Amino acid sequence: GENVGLHLPTLSVQEGDNSIINCAYSNSASDYFIWYKQESGKGPQFIIDIRSNMDKRQGQRVTVLLNKTVKHLSLQIAATQPGDSAVYFCAENLRGGGNKLTFGTGTQLKVEL
Amino acid sequence: DAGITQSPRHKVTETGTPVTLRCHQTENHRYMYWYRQDPGHGLRLIHYSYGVKDTDKGEVSDGYSVSRSKTEDFLLTLESATSSQTSVYFCAISESLMEAEQYFGPGTRLTVT
Repeated sequence: GENVGLHLPTLSVQEGDNSIINCAYSNSASDYFIWYKQESGKGPQFIIDIRSNMDKRQGQRVTVLLNKTVKHLSLQIAATQPGDSAVYFCAENLRGGGNKLTFGTGTQLKVEL
Repeated sequence: DAGITQSPRHKVTETGTPVTLRCHQTENHRYMYWYRQDPGHGLRLIHYSYGVKDTDKGEVSDGYSVSRSKTEDFLLTLESATSSQTSVYFCAISESLMEAEQYFGPGTRLTVT
């Protein structure tokens, strides 16, 4: 699909296992973070967000962890399913910068049966 | 795709010709954005709009212009298409400017020959 880069990091997991996708963000002044999922040929789809005053947030089968000390964000997907196969990328919003998100390049998640 | 449509979905054009891409939303959101997505890069902001007739540049605005005459429509124009503008273009909308997720359209694949 058009969202896959030549050098996109790939994470392969077995169906039913948990997945952890990592993201290093660039700006210590960023105060809002989002994880998106993008399936081949489709637009990015919102998964979960977290504000900088939190270090953990849970959704349905997904958890986002934020470590501001090392500027690191992770997305955990529980009981990974074939439908989770996609590219996942994080986005950060700079405090005072308006809703102009800066996106990472993404990680390809492949779920093996 | 959160009530967002893009047209056309695919277009092939020749170098030097003008091209206009259309984004239409039915959500009545105030903020609209145009991004391009290329292999090896995250989504990059071209232009955005914070209201009717109110627009501003993003990080890769050279060679592009936008217009927003109605809340629901945001047009992206390539004044004289170049091969470097071959890309997938995504429109996004958001309800508020600060700390709000953006919802994306299905994308337009543009090829400039």
